[in-house]
Amino acid sequence: SQQGEEDPQALSIQEGENATMNCSYKTSINNLQWYRQNSGRGLVHLILIRSNEREKHSGRLRVTLDTSKKSSSLLITASRAADTASYFCATDAMDSSYKLIFGSGTRLLVRP
Amino acid sequence: DGGITQSPKYLFRKEGQNVTLSCEQNLNHDAMYWYRQDPGQGLRLIYYSQIVNDFQKGDIAEGYSVSREKKESFPLTVTSAQKNPTAFYLCASRERGADEQFFGPGTRLTVL
Repeated sequence: SQQGEEDPQALSIQEGENATMNCSYKTSINNLQWYRQNSGRGLVHLILIRSNEREKHSGRLRVTLDTSKKSSSLLITASRAADTASYFCATDAMDSSYKLIFGSGTRLLVRP
Repeated sequence: DGGITQSPKYLFRKEGQNVTLSCEQNLNHDAMYWYRQDPGQGLRLIYYSQIVNDFQKGDIAEGYSVSREKKESFPLTVTSAQKNPTAFYLCASRERGADEQFFGPGTRLTVL
């Protein structure tokens, strides 16, 4: 089952612009994570936000979480061509398994 | 170098054959996970293990089997019962008490 759904499915921007990706989920969560995947490679963890947090920053990344709307957004500021990748949100299963439920991802293309 | 290795990077299999994908980690992580990714899609959980000699089915376990005889190893066997095995397979591990998962580089399996 896929709990998180990302929007948009694909995004094309010019280098230097900001990129915003959204994630919606269905059930209660302990935390929400964002991962990045370069084409044909494994995923890399970017940032985690807990259910009692509303905003978190890490370098050029800003994540927000609205538990009332069951949604999160990932903002990449001053994008670079190297940011071109797919970005996935993942929510925890809220049990002892620590399973993650991934969304379908947003494919970001940053044009130089 | 600490990390997760998957081998082989590319694997071709004839219909009706079983094939085993390797996943090894030297991070001393307790938990390990296997995911399947289809083109343009998110990750779906096949099996996971939180401790040696114990593992649980994920959302799409049918046609797959795993073992966890050693902490550092979590091989996945794709059996002939898996109807559509062509996909990208990702292995991940997680440290006890942490939420984020670390991913290997993946194995692309193609059934001929």
